[in-house]
This record gives sequence, structure tokens and C-alpha cells, in this order.
Amino acid sequence: AQSVTQPDIHITVSEGASLELRCNYSYGATPYLFWYVQSPGQGLQLLLKYFSGDTLVQGIKGFEAEFKRSQSSFNLRKPSVHWSDAAEYFCAVGADNNNDMRFGAGTRLTVKP
Amino acid sequence: GAGVSQTPSNKVTEKGKYVELRCDPISGHTALYWYRQSLGQGPEFLIYFQGTGAADDSGLPNDRFFAVRPEGSVSTLKIQRTERGDSAVYLCASSLVGGGSPLHFGNGTRLTVT
Repeated sequence: AQSVTQPDIHITVSEGASLELRCNYSYGATPYLFWYVQSPGQGLQLLLKYFSGDTLVQGIKGFEAEFKRSQSSFNLRKPSVHWSDAAEYFCAVGADNNNDMRFGAGTRLTVKP
Repeated sequence: GAGVSQTPSNKVTEKGKYVELRCDPISGHTALYWYRQSLGQGPEFLIYFQGTGAADDSGLPNDRFFAVRPEGSVSTLKIQRTERGDSAVYLCASSLVGGGSPLHFGNGTRLTVT
């Protein structure tokens, strides 16, 4: 079965600084990859997804992610972080031949003023 | 339109009791998922429905957990003889089809077993 690793449990960045959240996946074929964000007391919201084609995908709120097959990675980036981006971020991998999506343990983002 | 609705939002029960958690998916979504999220963890897959049938229940931790979706819409997650370790947020999600379609999540039911 597929699996996801998010190496960073907690990241702190200053407002206006750039951000990169790491995600590594394990799956034998081309995966479906997702990033979700969870704010306190809120449900999980989809930021972006990769299915095929262009390996650099754009999402909502100014986020982007790049699929790198050779590194089995799907890192999330944002050029300039806003205080409202403080939340928990989850990377997830799905497969075409089964139907459950596996999530990483999450990275908690703190934004300093 | 309406999103995924989960009720109740909070449930406190005593150890050994039976609980039911309800999920009302987005209309027209044939795929429905239950996940469990413990503090500081990512969502953990429990069970997946395609229509009325459980296509994959490999994530259910033991036979105290059971879920149904009798008419292919609303689903109920049932937990018998609850234990303190069952305390978590139970998340429901739906999607148009399985196989990699993005999931739309509800806000979850926070279950506390005392």
C-alpha cells in the first residue's frame, strides 16, 4: 500500500518569508498526490492536487507543489507566507487501483509577525 | 451547495457504551470514506464505500467498529463497547468517484470516551 512521510513536525517562518513543506511518498506506480490544510476547528481543505501532466501544480491561496518522481517527493511551496497561513498541512497519496487515500502525519506551520 | 455534514460534532460517552456517528455526504458523491484522527496525527483510513458496499474496510481496527451506508448516501459509523483509546476525531469525506479523486471532508465528530 502507498504511504507518505512528512519529515518536519513543526516549522516556524516569519511573515513574508518563503515556505517549503516536505513530502515523500512510497508507491509503485504514478500516484495521485494531494496537499490539504487544516486550520484549528476546521475541516480539511484541499490546496492542490497532482494527477498527471505538468509536474508543477498551482493551488489555492498562492501555494504550489512540484512532483519529482526521481525523489518520490511532492513538496509544497509558497513564495511569501501570510499570518493566515498558520495551520496544519497534510500531504496525501492516492492510487488508481485502490481507493483509500493515505495521509502523512502533518506539518504544523507557525508564522511569526 | 452543502458540504459534508457530520453529526454530532461532539460526543462524550462512557467506556463500554455504544455510539453511532453520522455522515451526510455531498449529494451525488458515490464514494464515502471514514478516517480517524488522533491528536498530532494525520487522518488514519478506516473504511471506504463505493455506493452501498464497503469496497475496502481494511482500516477498521477491530470488530467493535462497523459502518453502513444502506442507501448509498448517508453513512453511520458504529462503535461497540467503546474504549478510552477510541477517543479521537472521526472524519468523513466524500468524492465523486474513487481512485484518486479529491476528498471533501466534513468537520468531524470529536469522540471522547471517559
